[in-house]
Amino acid sequence: DTAVSQTPKYLVTQMGNDKSIKCEQNLGHDTMYWYKQDSKKFLKIMFSYNNKELIINETVPNRFSPKSPDKAHLNLHINSLELGDSAVYFCASSPRDGSYNEQFFGPGTRLTVL
Amino acid sequence: AQKVTQAQTEISVVEKEDVTLDCVYETRDTTYYLFWYKQPPSGELVFLIRRNSFDEQNEISGRYSWNFQKSTSSFNFTITASQVVDSAVYFCALTPPSYGKLTFGQGTILTVHP
Repeated sequence: DTAVSQTPKYLVTQMGNDKSIKCEQNLGHDTMYWYKQDSKKFLKIMFSYNNKELIINETVPNRFSPKSPDKAHLNLHINSLELGDSAVYFCASSPRDGSYNEQFFGPGTRLTVL
Repeated sequence: AQKVTQAQTEISVVEKEDVTLDCVYETRDTTYYLFWYKQPPSGELVFLIRRNSFDEQNEISGRYSWNFQKSTSSFNFTITASQVVDSAVYFCALTPPSYGKLTFGQGTILTVHP
């Protein structure tokens, strides 16, 4: 009965590879997010989708491409992985595109690029 | 632009001590929302509290209390009678009124020793 789930939990890969992280929420929320947490624990938003529409796109390399097939899913595809992409990636969701609503976070995906 | 500063990088206390985590924010919006999240060693992000800019009432929840002072742009968090289970990284965050883009502070690592 996990509210926000992410797969995989751990991802170890070589530089230059392409990988995807999947996120699903079963809360019926309209808005989903991707955050990156670096090695110093700093959390920064990457993207946000509201009802499958991209509404936030921070300064992220275009090697990162989010895809939302429906409002319950927001996947993150990363091309040509680099060492600096190593981080923990968190997916989150909220009831609507409203800043008042708390965001529910997934367990995170730890990506290690070798 | 929004900014959140948590000046205390690490705090170490002995069990049963009270501890206050500081949070100072910057925003040009008159309406905004403030949050605290906890990240225990297991890595997930746990929502603790949400406060809007028009509500300056302090809040208490068990051993946790929050002091919001708009005049000093601060939203401090106090744990009374700390316990080992309180050991975690604590994040203060801010969103603008129009969309849920959380801007996080750098986080404060709290270690409670038995």
